[in-house]
Amino acid sequence: QVTLKESGPVLVKPTETLTLTCTVSGFSLSNARMGVSWIRQPPGKALEWLAHIFSNDEKSYSTSLKSRLTISKDTSKSQVVLTMTNMDPVDTATYYCARIHRVDTFGGVIDYFDYWGQGTLVTVSS
Amino acid sequence: SYVLTQPPSVSVAPGQTARITCGGNNIGSKSVHWYQQKPGQAPVLVVYDDSDRPSGIPERFSGSNSGNTATLTISRVEAGDEADYYCQVWDSSSDHPGWVFGGGTKLTVL
Repeated sequence: QVTLKESGPVLVKPTETLTLTCTVSGFSLSNARMGVSWIRQPPGKALEWLAHIFSNDEKSYSTSLKSRLTISKDTSKSQVVLTMTNMDPVDTATYYCARIHRVDTFGGVIDYFDYWGQGTLVTVSS
Repeated sequence: SYVLTQPPSVSVAPGQTARITCGGNNIGSKSVHWYQQKPGQAPVLVVYDDSDRPSGIPERFSGSNSGNTATLTISRVEAGDEADYYCQVWDSSSDHPGWVFGGGTKLTVL
C-alpha cells in the first residue's frame, strides 16, 4: 500500500525558511521508476508544481521559484525534504507531495503523479 | 512558459455527458494527465497519458488529445463526480522544463 505523508510547521513568519518533509511507504526512493514531487495550492486557487526528485538525484524546479527552493532525499529514511526560503504571506497554501510514476510507452517515457499525500496547510503570517 | 487553459466551470445534469477541455499550443504532441479534486481532499489521478485510466477509475472517465485541445469526458455523470478537474503536462519545450497544471474546471452536477 503506497502512502505519502507531509509534515512540517503549520505557521511560519515572513522571511523565515519553510522545511517540509514527505515520508513515503509502500515503495522505495531508490526505485528508478519512481520519483517524488512537491505541489502547492493556495486557498481557492489552482495547483502549482514546485519541484521533483528521482532516485538518481535528478532534480527539477519551478522556474519562478527556483531561487528559493531546495529538494533533497534520504533514501534510508524514505523521506523527501523541501525547503523554501524567504517565505511571504502569498506562499500560504496547502503543500502536497506526490509520487511520480515513470513508465515506458510507445511514444517514449512518460511520468505522472499516481499517489498524493493528504496535504499540509502552511500559513505565513507574523 | 507553457500555458494550459481550462474553462472555469462546466455544468451538466445527472446521466448526461460532461466534456472538460484543456487548451495548449500543440498539446497533441504532449502526454496529458487529468486529476479530480473534491473539496478538502487531495487530487486523484483519473486519466494519464491522454486516455489511459488507473485501476479503480470507472470506464465513464475517458480522455482524448489532438491538435491544441485535450478533453476529459465523463459519461453518465453522477452526483459524486462533482469536483474540480485539472489537466497537467510536462513542458520540455522551453529552456526551463517543468510540470504545468491548468487553472482547473469546476464540474457542477445540476
